[in-house]
Formats: sequence, C-alpha cells, structure tokens
Amino acid sequence: QKEVEQNSGPLSVPEGAIASLNCTYSDRVSQSFFWYRQYSGKSPELIMSIYSNGDKEDGRFTAQLNKASQYVSLLIRDSQPSDSATYLCAVNKGGYQKVTFGTGTKLQVIP
Amino acid sequence: EAQVTQNPRYLITVTGKKLTVTCSQNMNHEYMSWYRQDPGLGLRQIYYSMNVEVTDKGDVPEGYKVSRKEKRNFPLILESPSPNQTSLYFCASSLSTSGDNEQFFGPGTRLTVL
Repeated sequence: QKEVEQNSGPLSVPEGAIASLNCTYSDRVSQSFFWYRQYSGKSPELIMSIYSNGDKEDGRFTAQLNKASQYVSLLIRDSQPSDSATYLCAVNKGGYQKVTFGTGTKLQVIP
Repeated sequence: EAQVTQNPRYLITVTGKKLTVTCSQNMNHEYMSWYRQDPGLGLRQIYYSMNVEVTDKGDVPEGYKVSRKEKRNFPLILESPSPNQTSLYFCASSLSTSGDNEQFFGPGTRLTVL
C-alpha cells in the first residue's frame, strides 16, 4: 500500500463548477498535510496546509481533513481554466521530518 | 527576492561521470530537501537536512550523496550516475526544522544520463 494515494485523473470539470480532489494516507501518525499545485514544466507551489480535523478555507480553496478515515481533500469552488494543473498531496509525520508526496491528480477545467 | 536556486537547469552527461547539482536558498531556512520527479511515480524525497551538518535519507537515497556545510547551500552529488537517475530534480527549503511547514521549491534540474 502506498503511503499517500491519489487518483491520477485527469479530472475534468466545467468552468465555474466545484472540483474535488482526494488523498488517502496510510500512516496514522501523520501530522501535517499539504496541497501543492504544479503547472506543467514548473515547480510545485503550496495551495493549502492543514493540521487538524475539519475544514480550512482560503478564498476559493477548502481543505478537509479526517484523521480517523485517513483522508484529506481539496475543494476548488468556481473552478477557472487557470486552475488546470496537477495537484499534489503531501504528508509529514511530524517529528520524523520526512515528507511523502502522492503521485498527483491532473485537473482540467473546461471553458 | 526570496528564492531557491538550482544549477544547472539542464544537464546531459554520461554514465559514471561524477556531477554535482547545486542548491541555494536566501530565506535563512533550516530545512532543505532534494526530490526527484518521474512520470507515474510523483515526487520522491532523496535526502533532507534539518540543519547544518545534519542530514538524513529520504525514500530513494541510493546513488546520491548530500552535504550541508552552510545553512544556505545543499548540493546533490551523483558520484557515478547511471541512466536510471535520469529525472527531474527539485530542491526545496522550509523554515521549520521538522518539515511540517510549507516548502519552497527551486525551478528544477532536468538531468539526462546516457
């Protein structure tokens, strides 16, 4: 079982819709969770971080964490063509320093 | 400008010829890390460093070496490169020593080993 799993996609949504990206992780001691966006040919950049159960909102983005289910998700409201990218889920075990990334989900927003 | 720089950005080399990819950050970050990115495999951590002279292995350290003699620099060394090390490499840095903060990534180095 992979430490961090994501559906590779592509996930296609129409412009203005809600895009829902999902990530599961295997190690229950995981403490810190991150969503990075990576445009083709570019380096990853942070979208959201979340550390405790529940929702965290930042503009059009909402991260959701459920540690009991070992599940973290990213919702993008009012999706725009500029949101088309690969979204990487990353997990840190807190105190162990190693960071593990999922393979990423490719999102396509159709105008 | 706060940034992570890597050099070279592109490199084609031959099997067995030692090479070094440099990484430097100007944000006074404690944590630095190297990743490789391959299609279908995502970003995999090679080595990370929590502070000067403190490094540890990530998920795929075989065939690589690192050093952290200064806080700002974290070079990646391939002493005898092989074709399976052909990949896109990213250096990253983070303020926290534990890796539980945002990481800032360099622009990447595309390495081809023939």
